[in-house]
Amino acid sequence: TQLLEQSPQFLSIQEGENLTVYCNSSSVFSSLQWYRQEPGEGPVLLVTVVTGGEVKKLKRLTFQFGDARKDSSLHITAAQPGDTGLYLCISPSGYGQNFVFGPGTRLSVLP
Amino acid sequence: DTGVSQNPRHKITKRGQNVTFRCDPISEHNRLYWYRQTLGQGPEFLTYFQNEAQLEKSRLLSDRFSAERPKGSFSTLEIQRTEQGDSAMYLCASSLTAGINAEQYFGPGTRLTVT
Repeated sequence: TQLLEQSPQFLSIQEGENLTVYCNSSSVFSSLQWYRQEPGEGPVLLVTVVTGGEVKKLKRLTFQFGDARKDSSLHITAAQPGDTGLYLCISPSGYGQNFVFGPGTRLSVLP
Repeated sequence: DTGVSQNPRHKITKRGQNVTFRCDPISEHNRLYWYRQTLGQGPEFLTYFQNEAQLEKSRLLSDRFSAERPKGSFSTLEIQRTEQGDSAMYLCASSLTAGINAEQYFGPGTRLTVT
């Protein structure tokens, strides 16, 4: 059974700081999605990474997929209070019949 | 298309009452998923449908819970004889069939409070 781990579990930083959060698996990801969930709302898809070594950028967010497709990172440059939320990594399990969730990193960006 | 919608957004009920939530997925999506999320935690899988067929149910889905997707479009999740422990956010998501590159799109959730 594939397990997803995320670190850190909690992160509280000041506006303007940079940060990186991680998602790791016990086995190879077929693909990986990163979501952000704001309080009281559903998760919103940020990006999907598929190819080992892939790097995708979304404004101040940079997503990397490890060469071996067993880990991924999300780097935020110059964090803003609007970045506050729960960051989830999710991957299709097995043959993609269902999805496996990481526990999430809860980010708080203080003004 | 406006994405996945859920109704109601909030529901307050007394213990022992029955509640029903509705999810309308993105129109061309075959897969529909229900999750439960308690405060401070990530979503926990409850069940999913491929068209109208319910393919998998979690052990979290006790016999008080039932989900349907009668015509392969919208879905309902019913909780009978609610308990305080049922208080949570109930999330619905849909995806375009399955596969290793499948992506889920989530609705805004229904927050249930059982008093």
